Amino acid sequence: KAGVTQTPRYLIKTRGQQVTLSCSPISGHRSVSWYQQTPGQGLQFLFEYFSETQRNKGNFPGRFSGRQFSNSRSEMNVSTLELGDSALYLCASSLVVGGQGADEQFFGPGTRLTVL
Amino acid sequence: AQKVTQAQTEISVVEKEDVTLDCVYETRDTTYYLFWYKQPPSGELVFLIRRNSFDEQNEISGRYSWNFQKSTSSFNFTITASQVVDSAVYFCALKGSTLGRLYFGRGTQLTVWP
Repeated sequence: KAGVTQTPRYLIKTRGQQVTLSCSPISGHRSVSWYQQTPGQGLQFLFEYFSETQRNKGNFPGRFSGRQFSNSRSEMNVSTLELGDSALYLCASSLVVGGQGADEQFFGPGTRLTVL
Repeated sequence: AQKVTQAQTEISVVEKEDVTLDCVYETRDTTYYLFWYKQPPSGELVFLIRRNSFDEQNEISGRYSWNFQKSTSSFNFTITASQVVDSAVYFCALKGSTLGRLYFGRGTQLTVWP
């Protein structure tokens, strides 16, 4: 079974631009979560999508948005990039049996975003 | 509020030594889930174990073992006879009962020297 895939793996942007990152979950997994990892703040939760609905959101500004498609693939978008958005963005998928969040999350390799 | 503390920022050991990574958590949920992940230099978080709050049995998987103690809110991870390939950052994480969000500790960088 293929794991979680994320594209692109590396991205370089300049301040003010916007960026879209993509995540394909493990086949059959319906929940996709996004995390930002930086040396200063560690791993921080961005949002979670389940059945195309955002059901949980972390404490990030509105410049960070996401969506999930009917095939469970997800995208996250960051508009008006700032230097502080440079980070590793990790996507995770989980099976979510019974609608609850008890299942383990499996992570993709991440997208490393550099904002110049 | 949910919180995970990994007090050890960095640990260095020599191959074949045993090493324990500490994890202390805080939660008001009566049902919750604890996890350990490994992050090698490649960056991908690798799932190691999940433990439910109602199951305090310790677990052993090869050279890895986990000690869950609700009385001290700890979920420690021990690697026996460490190897160079164990070098990575290890994260402890907590999830509440209803939503899928993981709360991570700051991680422990483990370096195993040959």
